[in-house]
Amino acid sequence: EAGVTQFPSHSVIEKGQTVTLRCDPISGHDNLYWYRRVMGKEIKFLLHFVKESKQDESGMPNNRFLAERTGGTYSTLKVQPAELEDSGVYFCASSPQAGAAYEQYFGPGTRLTVT
Amino acid sequence: GNSVTQMEGPVTLSEEAFLTINCTYTATGYPSLFWYVQYPGEGLQLLLKATKADDKGSNKGFEATYRKETTSFHLEKGSVQVSDSAVYFCALNAGGTSYGKLTFGQGTILTVHP
Repeated sequence: EAGVTQFPSHSVIEKGQTVTLRCDPISGHDNLYWYRRVMGKEIKFLLHFVKESKQDESGMPNNRFLAERTGGTYSTLKVQPAELEDSGVYFCASSPQAGAAYEQYFGPGTRLTVT
Repeated sequence: GNSVTQMEGPVTLSEEAFLTINCTYTATGYPSLFWYVQYPGEGLQLLLKATKADDKGSNKGFEATYRKETTSFHLEKGSVQVSDSAVYFCALNAGGTSYGKLTFGQGTILTVHP
């Protein structure tokens, strides 16, 4: 069974540009999550999809970030326009069920560098 | 709000040494607690978990006990190997309205030398 995949693995863009990150969850996983880790700090939650619906987007930092999950399969996270402080590693995770006791399966992350 | 505090790293050990990585948490209610590990070039993977007080999670020789009285979930291993070199993250899920949200500590880099 394929794991969670993320594309690209690394992206370098200039401030003010737009970047779109993609996540393909494990097949059949209704729950999809986005997290990011900035400069060696803690990994922070961004949002949680259940199928194509946003269940919880309390961690989205501002309206420059737009997440979508059309059709309830893969998800994209767009940053427009990118700022220097957006640099970091963006992780995607998925799970068949969601709740306090359930494991989330993580992808390898996309390293975003904004110059 | 909920938070997780891990001991600062990096931690450097010789092979076969004893490992402890401290983790304490602040949360409302009764969270589930997790240790995730990230090996070089890979995504995070679950190492072990505990869902209620006094539960002990264990996997690959690692153990952690959910201590509600001290709000702690310290990771231990009796004899580390070079292959244990990785970044270790303590995390909690407090459930409730944000039932999909993991709250992580800052991560601890472990390096094990032969």
